[in-house]
Amino acid sequence: AQTVTQSQPEMSVQEAETVTLSCTYDTSESDYYLFWYKQPPSRQMILVIRQEAYKQQNATENRFSVNFQKAAKSFSLKISDSQLGDAAMYFCAYRSASQGSTLGRLYFGRGTQLTVWP
Amino acid sequence: DAGVTQSPTHLIKTRGQQVTLRCSPKSGHDTVSWYQQALGQGPQFIFQYYEEEERQRGNFPDRFSGHQFPNYSSELNVNALLLGDSALYLCASSPTGLVVKKLFFGSGTQLSVL
Repeated sequence: AQTVTQSQPEMSVQEAETVTLSCTYDTSESDYYLFWYKQPPSRQMILVIRQEAYKQQNATENRFSVNFQKAAKSFSLKISDSQLGDAAMYFCAYRSASQGSTLGRLYFGRGTQLTVWP
Repeated sequence: DAGVTQSPTHLIKTRGQQVTLRCSPKSGHDTVSWYQQALGQGPQFIFQYYEEEERQRGNFPDRFSGHQFPNYSSELNVNALLLGDSALYLCASSPTGLVVKKLFFGSGTQLSVL
């Protein structure tokens, strides 16, 4: 089974500064998807960003960007210009592409709690 | 347009009891997945339903069962509750063929087993 590891249980950042959250994964597959989800106190998982493994270009969504290193099996999330509303638990997740487009399970890491200081 | 709706939001049960959790998928979504998120852990996949059948299952005992109805809503049933079943149970839905791009989560049901 695939495993996802987030080695930083907690991180903190000053408002307007930049922070990077780390994620590594273990897989023998060549085609897969990687995700970063945000879980605020409301408990709802919200998709932050998605990366397809076959794409060499790193995904970017406004202030959020990733550093995808396929050979190293590393997938970090960079949050620029941090805002108070970014404070949440962040989960890295993996999904195999071999499951097709209809079905598919996600494998999650244990999460990183991000605190944003004013 | 309502998103994924789960009920109840909180639930307290005692060991040995049975519980049913409910999920209404987002409008237009026909695939439903259930995840268990224990305290301090990431979500763990329980199972996934499509066309009213269980299509994939994670490493959970048979005490965990589910159902999907013709309107795509779903139930998660847990029998013979154990203290270790205390967790947040998340439901996620997606439309056919778009599970990668259009997966939406509900806010979960917090189950406490005493």
